[in-house]
Amino acid sequence: RKEVEQDPGPFNVPEGATVAFNCTYSNSASQSFFWYRQDCRKEPKLLMSVYSSGNEDGRFTAQLNRASQYISLLIRDSKLSDSATYLCVVNRGWDTGTASKLTFGTGTRLQVTL
Amino acid sequence: NAGVMQNPRHLVRRRGQEARLRCSPMKGHSHVYWYRQLPEEGLKFMVYLQKENIIDESGMPKERFSAEFPKEGPSILRIQQVVRGDSAAYFCASSRPGLALQLPTGELFFGEGSRLTVL
Repeated sequence: RKEVEQDPGPFNVPEGATVAFNCTYSNSASQSFFWYRQDCRKEPKLLMSVYSSGNEDGRFTAQLNRASQYISLLIRDSKLSDSATYLCVVNRGWDTGTASKLTFGTGTRLQVTL
Repeated sequence: NAGVMQNPRHLVRRRGQEARLRCSPMKGHSHVYWYRQLPEEGLKFMVYLQKENIIDESGMPKERFSAEFPKEGPSILRIQQVVRGDSAAYFCASSRPGLALQLPTGELFFGEGSRLTVL
């Protein structure tokens, strides 16, 4: 079983739609969680961190369910510019070199259409 | 305010040749990470370095791959005797110096990547 699993998609949605992605992780000791966005043939960029209490940033809402070991990303009022691959990222450690413990999912591809 | 700089952006090598990929972290960042992304696969951690130190190389193949981050100059990922399976995008990322242990830094700043093609 992969450490971090995502549905690869693609998710094809019309502009204005609401779309949600889930991601499951296998290591119950995982400490922190993130969503990154990667455009085609570009580098990944941090979209948002995921907190236990859930967090919202504009049209984007991230949730964490530790009991079921999954995190989710909800995008409301989709825009054409939201078309990208969304990477679920899990941090297995707390030490200062913590980024070396980041595990990336393979990503979920979103295509927003007119 | 330059971001993470990687070069070359594209590199073509024949089997058996050497590939050298360079990465300059963002100003003020002392931690460098190398990741590999194969087509249709996720980013795979390779190595984490600080100046003159390899901190974690648990993701590096045991043979042919090496990395360094010298006191002066960019970090270099070196692949000797390349094979077709080495064809991938190699991303370098940097982060700020580590904060208190309870403050994980999930934010990595990635370069645009170096795309290696082995013929």
